[in-house]
Amino acid sequence: AQSVTQPDIHITVSEGASLELRCNYSYGATPYLFWYVQSPGQGLQLLLKYFSGDTLVQGIKGFEAEFKRSQSSFNLRKPSVHWSDAAEYFCAVASSSGSARQLTFGSGTQLTVLP
Amino acid sequence: GAGVSQSPSNKVTEKGKDVELRCDPISGHTALYWYRQSLGQGLEFLIYFQGNSAPDKSGLPSDRFSAERTGGSVSTLTIQRTQQEDSAVYLCASSTTGVGTEAFFGQGTRLTVV
Repeated sequence: AQSVTQPDIHITVSEGASLELRCNYSYGATPYLFWYVQSPGQGLQLLLKYFSGDTLVQGIKGFEAEFKRSQSSFNLRKPSVHWSDAAEYFCAVASSSGSARQLTFGSGTQLTVLP
Repeated sequence: GAGVSQSPSNKVTEKGKDVELRCDPISGHTALYWYRQSLGQGLEFLIYFQGNSAPDKSGLPSDRFSAERTGGSVSTLTIQRTQQEDSAVYLCASSTTGVGTEAFFGQGTRLTVV
């Protein structure tokens, strides 16, 4: 069974600082990996996704993530955080084989941005 | 429509009552998902519909929960004899079929059982 771990429940950074949110997954084959962001009272918005090719993927809002098979990780990064980035971030994995396409989410990382 | 639409946006119900939550997916999307997000928790998978295939109900927490999708479009999640632990935000998502497709989420229905 696939699973996702986000070890950091809450991260606080200052505006302008760099950011890295950790995500580790468990899946037997090459997974499909996603990062979503959820602002208060909103649904989830896709930031970026990986399913093949270049292991460094670029997303919206200046975010990027790197797939590292050897570490089973898909960490999200941003070089300079803006106050509007304060939100909850979810890493997710989907199977790459079979008919099941359900997304399995991590428990989320809440990001606070200090002025 | 332009996005995934869920109704109602908020629902307060008394313990023991039945509730129905509705999801209108993006037109043409064959896959539809329901997730539950409890306070301080991640997203818990409930059920997945894909075209005319039998739904994946493996995430439904009890037989009080059921869902249907009529005509491959609108879906209804029904919770019978609601309990306080059912209080959560219920999120619906839809996607096309294919490699690495993006799931688009609705804004959710906040269910409060009192």
